[in-house]
Amino acid sequence: DTAVSQTPKYLVTQMGNDKSIKCEQNLGHDTMYWYKQDSKKFLKIMFSYNNKELIINETVPNRFSPKSPDKAHLNLHINSLELGDSAVYFCASSQAGVGELFFGEGSRLTVL
Amino acid sequence: AQKVTQAQTEISVVEKEDVTLDCVYETRDTTYYLFWYKQPPSGELVFLIRRNSFDEQNEISGRYSWNFQKSTSSFNFTITASQVVDSAVYFCALSEKNTGNQFYFGTGTSLTVIP
Repeated sequence: DTAVSQTPKYLVTQMGNDKSIKCEQNLGHDTMYWYKQDSKKFLKIMFSYNNKELIINETVPNRFSPKSPDKAHLNLHINSLELGDSAVYFCASSQAGVGELFFGEGSRLTVL
Repeated sequence: AQKVTQAQTEISVVEKEDVTLDCVYETRDTTYYLFWYKQPPSGELVFLIRRNSFDEQNEISGRYSWNFQKSTSSFNFTITASQVVDSAVYFCALSEKNTGNQFYFGTGTSLTVIP
């Protein structure tokens, strides 16, 4: 069983479209994250949720909206996609105060 | 200010050489955790090790070893007898208790092992 799974793995879309990436973890962790990795491999935190509550919201355009229906899921919706949104988006989870981040496989978004 | 600094952007070594990846961190917290992650060309992020601030013992796992020194705020990673499969980007990370265990990642070191 995959611990942190995110879908889809690849997304190719046109500028201006709206897209979503889903993430689920079966580790029982209470904290989930979205990270963006650009072409230079920099890993940038976007959002963090603890028990469905938003606790980290870095400087991210409001076109990005996370949604956590329960503590096992954290989805990312992106409106009006721009070329600069092209990146790999990683979902991760951890047990707050205790452990390491467990990452999903990443979702590669390409905006044309 | 960068909380985690990986000064080496790219390193190339010939197979079987030893290589050390440097990591320097900055924190005022007394309780924190340090991590190393590996990202091979396939793209996934693989957890390698976690160290807490109260445990300065060095750790060895096969060909991998880690040297944690609070006096110099460093958490360096050494690969002994490198292999081609070690080629990857390696990230060092810091998590502080006082910031709700937010993770701070270094910019990564790209290691290429030449056969």
